[in-house]
Amino acid sequence: EAGVTQFPSHSVIEKGQTVTLRCDPISGHDNLYWYRRVMGKEIKFLLHFVKESKQDESGMPNNRFLAERTGGTYSTLKVQPAELEDSGVYFCASSHDRVYEQYFGPGTRLTVT
Amino acid sequence: GENVEQHPSTLSVQEGDSAVIKCTYSDSASNYFPWYKQELGKRPQLIIDIRSNVGEKKDQRIAVTLNKTAKHFSLHITETQPEDSAVYFCAPRGASGSARQLTFGSGTQLTVLP
Repeated sequence: EAGVTQFPSHSVIEKGQTVTLRCDPISGHDNLYWYRRVMGKEIKFLLHFVKESKQDESGMPNNRFLAERTGGTYSTLKVQPAELEDSGVYFCASSHDRVYEQYFGPGTRLTVT
Repeated sequence: GENVEQHPSTLSVQEGDSAVIKCTYSDSASNYFPWYKQELGKRPQLIIDIRSNVGEKKDQRIAVTLNKTAKHFSLHITETQPEDSAVYFCAPRGASGSARQLTFGSGTQLTVLP
């Protein structure tokens, strides 16, 4: 079974530019989560999809962040325009609806200069 | 929301010794208590978890104990090996409403000295 995959693994952009991160969950997992780890701090929840619907987006920092999951398969997280404080590692995780375990992707390291 | 505290932030042990990391949470409705291991540059990996109806779970050298009354759970690693060196995160999960997200502790950097 393939694990959660994320693309790109690294992204370096300038302040004010736009970046789109992609997450492919484990096949059959309806629940998809985005988390972020800012340098040296804890991993923080951003939002949660159940299939294509946003179940909880209470962790999204501001309206510069837009997440989508059209068709209920892969998800994208767009940051527009990027700011310096957006730098960090963005993780995606997925879980089956009937279990609690969340499986993480390798993360996308975003650097905003 | 859930408040999570994890201690210690760093832990160094000699190879073969035991390591214990403690996590305290605030939401009494939390019902799932996982521990994740993250090696440098890699993804967080679930290593052990426990549900609220169980007090202890063991998997080879790793165990987790849960005290729901005191609202804390601990990770125990016995006979530590250099490959156990990593950052460990506790991440209790709430039970109310749509709160399925994990709330991560600040992490513990474990170093196993050969």
